[in-house]
Amino acid sequence: QVQLQQSGPGLVKPSQTLSLTCAISGDSVSRDSAAWNWIRQSPSRGLEWLGRTYYRSKWYNDYAVSLKSRITINPDTSKNQFALQLNSVTPEDTAVYYCARDRLATIASDSFYHGMDVWGQGTTVTISS
Amino acid sequence: QAVLTQPSSLSASPGASASLTCTLRSGINVGTYRIYWYQQKPGSPPQFLLRYKSDSDYQKGSGVPSRFSGSKDASANAGIFLISGLQSEDEADYYCMIWHSSAWVFGGGTKLTVL
Repeated sequence: QVQLQQSGPGLVKPSQTLSLTCAISGDSVSRDSAAWNWIRQSPSRGLEWLGRTYYRSKWYNDYAVSLKSRITINPDTSKNQFALQLNSVTPEDTAVYYCARDRLATIASDSFYHGMDVWGQGTTVTISS
Repeated sequence: QAVLTQPSSLSASPGASASLTCTLRSGINVGTYRIYWYQQKPGSPPQFLLRYKSDSDYQKGSGVPSRFSGSKDASANAGIFLISGLQSEDEADYYCMIWHSSAWVFGGGTKLTVL
């Protein structure tokens, strides 16, 4: 059974860096048919995809355009986890943050993602001085 | 205009059917997209329900009841999530999602009340 366990601080000061980790059990961050996502949720913005990391012979990242200048998602193969860093945070970044797994599926020669089927428990992060 | 638009709320009676819509912005053709549906209950992360592009490209998540199904309404440019035989446990928020312009995009969600 695949599980994702999130960790990180619940309070971050404005202008500082938000850092969260998602530890994987029952799967591998290096699996070449998986993708590892970060999503956040707030009353004002709803569900917002932040980005993902995945391994396909080498590591790739995709990020939401609105966050591209501030976000980094890195895998840590030694600990089988992946991490989110969001720089220069403001109160607008206050949200519940989730990590989630997705998997590649194939129909005929068309490859696509199955759907985010495993989620972390969520971390409430407040940006405040 | 948002990429995906969902009604903010919907109410239905136990035993009835509920049809949740996810309308794609004009210029984005629903026929070319896979629509993903998630259910979220208070205090919990979203749970994957199903993915629908066509009847031949359609998959439900593990343990998802047969009462839940997906389809499209091409005339409305919308994805449809249907729950038949509503139960009190179906009361939740429901979100649609697509992969658009190299990003996952969520709809604003529909709060389904079973009363």
